[in-house]
Amino acid sequence: DVKVTQSSRYLVKRTGEKVFLECVQDMDHENMFWYRQDPGLGLRLIYFSYDVKMKEKGDIPEGYSVSREKKERFSLILESASTNQTSMYLCASSSTGVAYNEQFFGPGTRLTVL
Amino acid sequence: AQSVTQPDIHITVSEGASLELRCNYSYGATPYLFWYVQSPGQGLQLLLKYFSGDTLVQGIKGFEAEFKRSQSSFNLRKPSVHWSDAAEYFCAVVGRGNQFYFGTGTSLTVIP
Repeated sequence: DVKVTQSSRYLVKRTGEKVFLECVQDMDHENMFWYRQDPGLGLRLIYFSYDVKMKEKGDIPEGYSVSREKKERFSLILESASTNQTSMYLCASSSTGVAYNEQFFGPGTRLTVL
Repeated sequence: AQSVTQPDIHITVSEGASLELRCNYSYGATPYLFWYVQSPGQGLQLLLKYFSGDTLVQGIKGFEAEFKRSQSSFNLRKPSVHWSDAAEYFCAVVGRGNQFYFGTGTSLTVIP
């Protein structure tokens, strides 16, 4: 069964802390994505990656960075967490080649920044 | 630019009643369209997808959706709703660069 896992379901951090959110997929997918989900705003793409060591900015990259050192792992980094980054973070992966390959999602990490 | 609109923020239906969730998209070329469901505290699960061909698409859990190019719509339907269908539903279109564009979601409440 396909699986995308995220390192934490719930996380509480303080303003100014550096935060790492980890995502691992076991489907050998080339593409990986980070979204944030906020009420009334749906899912917004932060960053995505088509291959190891490659990254592309999504719609809201400000305040975030990413790392993809291995194919199966995609990390989202908040360099200096702020309260407006309190949100649900969803990781997804998909295979490459055609436009309509579905994205598989992890369970999400609910981050609270105090 | 590609985008998706889900006009209904929240819908309440009685168990056993029929359901229709609306989705309108904006995309210049042939759209690839998806419906996902998110149960409370969970990630998103694919319900169904449309690429081409038959405009009526069957999905999991008894859901179906109809693609109407003339109306730029991809509405999700279910003939008889179950209490376990209470969740948030997202419509998405794939745009340039294989990027998914999601709607803002419709929250479904099912009354016993």
